[in-house]
Amino acid sequence: RKEVEQDPGPFNVPEGATVAFNCTYSNSASQSFFWYRQDCRKEPKLLMSVYSSGNEDGRFTAQLNRASQYISLLIRDSKLSDSATYLCVVNLYGGSQGNLIFGKGTKLSVKP
Amino acid sequence: DAGVIQSPRHEVTEMGQEVTLRCKPISGHDYLFWYRQTMMRGLELLIYFNNNVPIDDSGMPEDRFSAKMPNASFSTLKIQPSEPRDSAVYFCASSFLDSNQPQHFGDGTRLSIL
Repeated sequence: RKEVEQDPGPFNVPEGATVAFNCTYSNSASQSFFWYRQDCRKEPKLLMSVYSSGNEDGRFTAQLNRASQYISLLIRDSKLSDSATYLCVVNLYGGSQGNLIFGKGTKLSVKP
Repeated sequence: DAGVIQSPRHEVTEMGQEVTLRCKPISGHDYLFWYRQTMMRGLELLIYFNNNVPIDDSGMPEDRFSAKMPNASFSTLKIQPSEPRDSAVYFCASSFLDSNQPQHFGDGTRLSIL
């Protein structure tokens, strides 16, 4: 299994749709989990952290499934401005910030 | 509040030339990271520093790449001599010590080696 794996997409959805991305990780002892967003020709930016109990921020919901070693991101009522690449980030081995592993990203395109 | 500042934003040079990328991290951050991003390989960690000390440079592709952090507010990534396969976007990021804290990225340097 690759360390952090995502479906590259693209996911093409209409405005208002609900879309979900999954990300699997290789080490069951992994600690911190994040979703970053990267717009075309821009830098990655933190979208949200992922907490064990799951967490929500407006239209975005992140969940962690330790048993199956994946995290998910759900976007409800998608907007044109949600079009971007979503990077799954996992601190695979705990401890140091240097153990953060970035997935290659899932591309989302929201159409009118 | 200033974020991570990288320069130059774009660099186009001929193969064999020396390239120097610069980064100013967010004040107070403990870690500084250099990443390279390409379509094929995604975001790859090249090297990172903790309190100006290089901790892990295992991601540096070869001896042509070197990085320094002479003080808490400045780092450089140097490629000498440069090759066309070095063409990529190079990001610098910084963060606090706590691994639950996110990394903050600069705008990146788009490097093209002809």
